[in-house]
Amino acid sequence: ETGVTQSPTHLIKTRGQQVTLRCSSQSGHNTVSWYQQALGQGPQFIFQYYREEENGRGNFPPRFSGLQFPNYSSELNVNALELDDSALYLCASSELAGGETQYFGPGTRLLVL
Amino acid sequence: AQKVTQAQTEISVVEKEDVTLDCVYETRDTTYYLFWYKQPPSGELVFLIRRNSFDEQNEISGRYSWNFQKSTSSFNFTITASQVVDSAVYFCALSDDFGNEKLTFGTGTRLTIIP
Repeated sequence: ETGVTQSPTHLIKTRGQQVTLRCSSQSGHNTVSWYQQALGQGPQFIFQYYREEENGRGNFPPRFSGLQFPNYSSELNVNALELDDSALYLCASSELAGGETQYFGPGTRLLVL
Repeated sequence: AQKVTQAQTEISVVEKEDVTLDCVYETRDTTYYLFWYKQPPSGELVFLIRRNSFDEQNEISGRYSWNFQKSTSSFNFTITASQVVDSAVYFCALSDDFGNEKLTFGTGTRLTIIP
């Protein structure tokens, strides 16, 4: 096990609602990255947080937002949910040093109806 | 822009056979890192290997081996004497060295080992 935990494990929402997903980093890691993995696809980078600041963002709209807390845990918030937001959301923790290995949590499966 | 291609969508082999998973990447960076991750049905991505662009030595870890060829931009993964527990989706990924840990993943190869 990596020591990265995520909650909840599964979630069902309806279109237009808002959702918050949570991630607890591996001990000693100061960086959290979030990825969206649609069914049958590879994970897509959403954004990364380093010491509570956003440190890079992928091609996702502003309704995807995040937070990192002083203990390096993190939240991913998605507003105005759309059907296409249904996916596995993965968080990964690492140390920010360029090319460092990211260790992934078990993910949260979100279904938007 | 970075890109990772895993042309093999699905592979099935009989247990104890060897199998190679292909990965081809594109990047303009001179320093970069390549990774392989395993994703069992539970969904969690399990780290297998990290290789930087300056280290072209092949690596072996038990039944797993990796062949990095910069000349062909390939980073292939071979499982020797496959086992049923090797059944999973395998992802190749690429990151840069600019202090941003963004990983660019391929679309994955679903490997099924038939008992």
